[in-house]
Amino acid sequence: AQRVTQPEKLLSVFKGAPVELKCNYSYSGSPELFWYVQYSRQRLQLLLRHISRESIKGFTADLNKGETSFHLKKPFAQEEDSAMYYCALSDTGRRALTFGSGTRLQVQP
Amino acid sequence: DTGVSQDPRHKITKRGQNVTFRCDPISEHNRLYWYRQTLGQGPEFLTYFQNEAQLEKSRLLSDRFSAERPKGSFSTLEIQRTEQGDSAMYLCASTAGTEAFFGQGTRLTVV
Repeated sequence: AQRVTQPEKLLSVFKGAPVELKCNYSYSGSPELFWYVQYSRQRLQLLLRHISRESIKGFTADLNKGETSFHLKKPFAQEEDSAMYYCALSDTGRRALTFGSGTRLQVQP
Repeated sequence: DTGVSQDPRHKITKRGQNVTFRCDPISEHNRLYWYRQTLGQGPEFLTYFQNEAQLEKSRLLSDRFSAERPKGSFSTLEIQRTEQGDSAMYLCASTAGTEAFFGQGTRLTVV
């Protein structure tokens, strides 16, 4: 069975500090990994996906198949990054998402 | 707003009553998903449609739950004989590829 684990419920950093939100997964095939973000009073939205290998809003995430991880990183946190972040895995068939339990990022001034 | 819309946004119901939620996906998206999210957890998959066909139901979806997507457009999720454990946020998402677009959800409270 596929599973996504986000070990931290809350991560609090100061503005300008580096950020790393951890995500580990278990999946028997070739996974597609995503990070979704939910800002206050907004809907869940895609932040980035591992296939694209892109940087969005300064965030990057690298898929490490050996460690089965997909950690989200940003070198310098901004206050507007404060939000709930969910790591998710998609299977190749039905493409339904399996989510982790989420990490709340608080960036303090 | 041309995104995924859900109605109602909030629903309070008494235990034992039936409730129905509606989801209007992005018009050109052929896949539609329902998820449930409880406090402190990420969304959990319930069921999905490819056009009008319901292709899979999660074991989370008891016999009291039924979903439809007539004509492959909007979808409804009905819960019969609601229980307190049904209290949750019900999310709808639609996709045309790998990116899922979510609605704002319907928050159900069963009292």
